[in-house]
Amino acid sequence: DVKVTQSSRYLVKRTGEKVFLECVQDMDHENMFWYRQDPGLGLRLIYFSYDVKMKEKGDIPEGYSVSREKKERFSLILESASTNQTSMYLCASSSAGTGNNEQFFGPGTRLTVL
Amino acid sequence: GESVGLHLPTLSVQEGDNSIINCAYSNSASDYFIWYKQESGKGPQFIIDIRSNMDKRQGQRVTVLLNKTVKHLSLQIAATQPGDSAVYFCAEKEVDDYKLSFGAGTTVTVRA
Repeated sequence: DVKVTQSSRYLVKRTGEKVFLECVQDMDHENMFWYRQDPGLGLRLIYFSYDVKMKEKGDIPEGYSVSREKKERFSLILESASTNQTSMYLCASSSAGTGNNEQFFGPGTRLTVL
Repeated sequence: GESVGLHLPTLSVQEGDNSIINCAYSNSASDYFIWYKQESGKGPQFIIDIRSNMDKRQGQRVTVLLNKTVKHLSLQIAATQPGDSAVYFCAEKEVDDYKLSFGAGTTVTVRA
């Protein structure tokens, strides 16, 4: 069974802390994505990567960075967490190229910044 | 920017009835339209997609309709079951783009 796993289901951090969210997929997918999900706003793309060491900004990259050192792992970094980054964070992966519309999602990390 | 949105945030359906979930879009450059289902505590899961050169596509118990004239798409679920209770998102994608743009979602509740 294909799988996308995220390092934590729930996370509580303090304002100003550096936060790392980890995502691992076992499907040998080239594309990986980080979204945040907020009520009434749907899913918004933060960053994506189409290959190792490659990254592209999504719609809301401010305050975030990413790292993709290995094909199976895509990390989201909050350099200095703020309360407006309290949200559900979802990681997804998909096979190579732009022709596949099916993204496989992890269960999400609910981050609370106090 | 342009956005994809759903007409209604919630939908209550009697078990066994058909469900219709609507979505309006505004990006004329979108080439694919996709539906995802998110059950409680899980990430979204792909249901079905349709390309802009089609107006109807059927899957297992689901049908997606696309009306490009009024920039509207819908997801029809036949014989709705309790397991269909979830949040449904429509999404759009331009050709040769990696990115999906999601709407706000519709919460479907199935009444026994």
